[in-house]
Amino acid sequence: NAGVMQNPRHLVRRRGQEARLRCSPMKGHSHVYWYRQLPEEGLKFMVYLQKENIIDESGMPKERFSAEFPKEGPSILRIQQVVRGDSAAYFCASSDGVRTTEAFFGQGTRLTVV
Amino acid sequence: QKEVEQDPGPLSVPEGAIVSLNCTYSNSAFQYFMWYRQYSRKGPELLMYTYSSGNKEDGRFTAQVDKSSKYISLFIRDSQPSDSATYLCAMSVSAGGTSYGKLTFGQGTILTVHP
Repeated sequence: NAGVMQNPRHLVRRRGQEARLRCSPMKGHSHVYWYRQLPEEGLKFMVYLQKENIIDESGMPKERFSAEFPKEGPSILRIQQVVRGDSAAYFCASSDGVRTTEAFFGQGTRLTVV
Repeated sequence: QKEVEQDPGPLSVPEGAIVSLNCTYSNSAFQYFMWYRQYSRKGPELLMYTYSSGNKEDGRFTAQVDKSSKYISLFIRDSQPSDSATYLCAMSVSAGGTSYGKLTFGQGTILTVHP
């Protein structure tokens, strides 16, 4: 059973470009959570999605950031017009929505904005 | 004030030592308490979780929660060099009889166990 798959593992973007980060949850999981980890900081919650629904986006910056989890395919975290401050590791986790204490994390996408 | 406070360390101990890692929190609504281990350049890995107050043991690891003091601990017995990692505490509120799922993390404590 494959774990949570994130791609790409590393992403370099120039300021002003768009970044798209993908997350495929574990098989059987329909809940996805995105977190951001800045250097020397812990993980910060960004958004909680269920298939085709945003459950909680209280941690998402108001501008430039969006997330979706379509009926088919991976969850996408989209960052428009990236700035240097967006450089961070972005992790997604998934759960089955019932045993939510058992959320499994992917290996992360490390975004570097140059 | 951060909702969850965790001393970032770093903490360096000799092999075989007992390690104590701690977090304090301010949100009394937190009901689920987790400990994650994160190796460099990897994703967090769930070690164990506890619901409400009390102790939980799993092999060399023991988690304690004291809700009256808003204080949680993770103890590692007979520490090994392979335990060297960053340890993150995380918490969540309850929803429908289970964890809401959204986690609030501490900053993480960097642990090194030297042979």
